[in-house]
Amino acid sequence: DAGVIQSPRHEVTEMGQEVTLRCKPISGHDYLFWYRQTMMRGLELLIYFNNNVPIDDSGMPEDRFSAKMPNASFSTLKIQPSEPRDSAVYFCASSLDPAGELFFGEGSRLTVL
Amino acid sequence: KQEVTQIPAALSVPEGENLVLNCSFTDSAIYNLQWFRQDPGKGLTSLLLIQSSQREQTSGRLNASLDKSSGRSTLYIAASQPGDSATYLCAVRPMDSSYKLIFGSGTRLLVRP
Repeated sequence: DAGVIQSPRHEVTEMGQEVTLRCKPISGHDYLFWYRQTMMRGLELLIYFNNNVPIDDSGMPEDRFSAKMPNASFSTLKIQPSEPRDSAVYFCASSLDPAGELFFGEGSRLTVL
Repeated sequence: KQEVTQIPAALSVPEGENLVLNCSFTDSAIYNLQWFRQDPGKGLTSLLLIQSSQREQTSGRLNASLDKSSGRSTLYIAASQPGDSATYLCAVRPMDSSYKLIFGSGTRLLVRP
């Protein structure tokens, strides 16, 4: 398997613009997670899905953030409107079970000017 | 609230040395603990997963131990190589929210040739 695939790898945008990050989990993994990594706060869980259904979105920082999983092989994380403090690396990860070994993608590095 | 601490924050050793990375957590009620490696600009690579009922796990030159009662885990790297240079992250899953990984801030390892 190719592993968890994320796109884009790098995104530079201006404040106020909409940003969409994409993720393809490992085939057969029923659990998908979005994490954010910053120097100040480290890695934080934003939201996780089970069988395409959002289970816990308590880590989503604000209403400007939304995530969807329309099918088992695709998820998006959207920020609208983006702000400079959203600059971070956003990781998608997947696993066979919710507490099992977690496999991460390469991340999407977002810079909001 | 579960907190994970990794000491030291950075470590530099000559090639061939055996070394130990430390991880401590404040609440012993964990489901499991996972060690990751992160190369600069890359995603996280899972190294070892230790269930709460286990004392250690081994993979090649890596050995991870878990002492749940004292809230500690160590990652032992034998015969270190320059290719081992990376940031090593420890993460625990709380028993009451086992889907969520709580990460330490990592130990940045440099193995000098």
